[in-house]
Amino acid sequence: DTEVTQTPKHLVMGMTNKKSLKCEQHMGHRAMYWYKQKAKKPPELMFVYSYEKLSINESVPSRFSPECPNSSLLNLHLHALQPEDSALYLCASSQDGQGALSYNEQFFGPGTRLTVL
Amino acid sequence: TQLLEQSPQFLSIQEGENLTVYCNSSSVFSSLQWYRQEPGEGPVLLVTVVTGGEVKKLKRLTFQFGDARKDSSLHITAAQPGDTGLYLCAGDDFGNEKLTFGTGTRLTIIP
Repeated sequence: DTEVTQTPKHLVMGMTNKKSLKCEQHMGHRAMYWYKQKAKKPPELMFVYSYEKLSINESVPSRFSPECPNSSLLNLHLHALQPEDSALYLCASSQDGQGALSYNEQFFGPGTRLTVL
Repeated sequence: TQLLEQSPQFLSIQEGENLTVYCNSSSVFSSLQWYRQEPGEGPVLLVTVVTGGEVKKLKRLTFQFGDARKDSSLHITAAQPGDTGLYLCAGDDFGNEKLTFGTGTRLTIIP
């Protein structure tokens, strides 16, 4: 299984709602990532989990809250978002974000298209 | 701050033509990945190049890593409409958990 799955595919939410994005991989990867991508731009890194611990937070506003329940799952909890948070949210995984391998080869999920009204 | 500049930014060519996309930096990378992304979907990994001067082929796509590991190119032979998409290069900094993404090349192949 070389797939990263994400649910839901599409999400529309109001600024007062609470929702969660989910990501799953069964490749035995130990690093997982959340990215935000605006139209016609490259992905922007938000968070990195390495061996189930948060290792990088790219100064993301607290209305985004990541969670890694186990090595296969990654969640992104959303609360009180703003319309400018509308974007494609991508999850990715890699075998080992640092150290064991000489390179960081990341595999992406299909993304969640988020619209904040 | 590491930067990866891709050129051209946009490219629209006829089916059957050849093209080359460039990914350039002043920084050295331990490896470089190339991805293709279709609208509304996640990037799909095409190839990883690791060794300076390395050339890898994937059907009609040829990828090359510069000798100094600061740049890379993607050459497509006899482009087909299925090659349409956003091409992204991404550099890995010696085990750093962060990838540096290129600015992207949006390719359109006209049937």
